[in-house]
Amino acid sequence: EAQVTQNPRYLITVTGKKLTVTCSQNMNHEYMSWYRQDPGLGLRQIYYSMNVEVTDKGDVPEGYKVSRKEKRNFPLILESPSPNQTSLYFCASSLRPGGNYGYTFGSGTRLTVV
Amino acid sequence: AQTVTQSQPEMSVQEAETVTLSCTYDTSESDYYLFWYKQPPSRQMILVIRQEAYKQQNATENRFSVNFQKAAKSFSLKISDSQLGDAAMYFCAYRRDVYSGGGADGLTFGKGTHLIIQP
Repeated sequence: EAQVTQNPRYLITVTGKKLTVTCSQNMNHEYMSWYRQDPGLGLRQIYYSMNVEVTDKGDVPEGYKVSRKEKRNFPLILESPSPNQTSLYFCASSLRPGGNYGYTFGSGTRLTVV
Repeated sequence: AQTVTQSQPEMSVQEAETVTLSCTYDTSESDYYLFWYKQPPSRQMILVIRQEAYKQQNATENRFSVNFQKAAKSFSLKISDSQLGDAAMYFCAYRRDVYSGGGADGLTFGKGTHLIIQP
């Protein structure tokens, strides 16, 4: 089944403890992206990648890191999480950058930082 | 930068009736793409319908159709014969055409409209 797999679905952590949210897609998509969703704010882009080894900042990149060493994987790293990073996170992919390609989304990761 | 505005935080409709969700956007570009996504309580994001800005014909997918008014920068979603399973948050989204304009890529989302279906 074609899909984007995110793990974990739920995560509670403490301030300052490094964490990684994994994202993997099995559709050979070039483009991958991370979003966070907060009530009343919609979804905002954190980072995106147009292909392997090519990443760029989105609208809210502060406090996050990403890497794209392989086409299928695009992990999101929080080096020192803070409570304002408590949010619902989505990984998404599309066949190509830009254009009419809609995103396929992962199931989301609910992160709570205490 | 582009902005997407959904002016209706919440809408309610009777089952089997028709409802229209509003979306306006601001852009200086001529080539772009517009999307509607649905997010049910399961929180999964599901693509409902898409529209290319260069196409004058409005997109249709079964009970879902759009009214795309390029000059007015408006992209509303019409849901006909509403069903209980249509209850969800609906997000309007804009994507640039990076092949013609270059620059950053990604979907810009509105803040969403919560659709309630009354049985």
